[in-house]
Amino acid sequence: AQSVSQHNHHVILSEAASLELGCNYSYGGTVNLFWYVQYPGQHLQLLLKYFSGDPLVKGIKGFEAEFIKSKFSFNLRKPSVQWSDTAEYFCAVNGNTGGFKTIFGAGTRLFVKA
Amino acid sequence: GAGVSQTPSNKVTEKGKYVELRCDPISGHTALYWYRQSLGQGPEFLIYFQGTGAADDSGLPNDRFFAVRPEGSVSTLKIQRTERGDSAVYLCASSLRGQGDTQYFGPGTRLTVL
Repeated sequence: AQSVSQHNHHVILSEAASLELGCNYSYGGTVNLFWYVQYPGQHLQLLLKYFSGDPLVKGIKGFEAEFIKSKFSFNLRKPSVQWSDTAEYFCAVNGNTGGFKTIFGAGTRLFVKA
Repeated sequence: GAGVSQTPSNKVTEKGKYVELRCDPISGHTALYWYRQSLGQGPEFLIYFQGTGAADDSGLPNDRFFAVRPEGSVSTLKIQRTERGDSAVYLCASSLRGQGDTQYFGPGTRLTVL
């Protein structure tokens, strides 16, 4: 079955700490991978995406993610978080099988202490 | 504004009633998606439109749910004989072409079935 697993439901960090949010997926076929972010009171918005090519993808606000095909993973990283990164982060996958569904993980709530 | 809009922002109804939720996508976007998000979960795919046609409705939970997009722009999600379990935030997203494109999300409609 197609699924996305996000390992941490809640993460609390101090400013300047490094961040890594885990994401593993189960999906047959060629995949497109996404990280979306929802800041408090705002809509879901795209942080970064991977379709093909360089498995290290850079997104907005200093975030990056690495696609490791052998591990079915797409972990999100940021070397130094800021208070403004407090938000909920969702990993998602779609691809060339499974119709047109985009499957989302359950999300990780990140709280950054100032 | 140029973003995806959804109306109403909140809808409270009684069990057994019929509701309609509206989505106005970004102008020119041919692809439109509906998702449902329950508390503590990520968005769950319901249906995908390409133009006027439903290209994938495999996420609709049962025949009480139906969606239309008659002119290839505005879409309406219709729920008949609502049940308490239908309570959730219903999200709409649009993208320029299709599955591989960035999806732009609306603010959602919070549906509460009493």
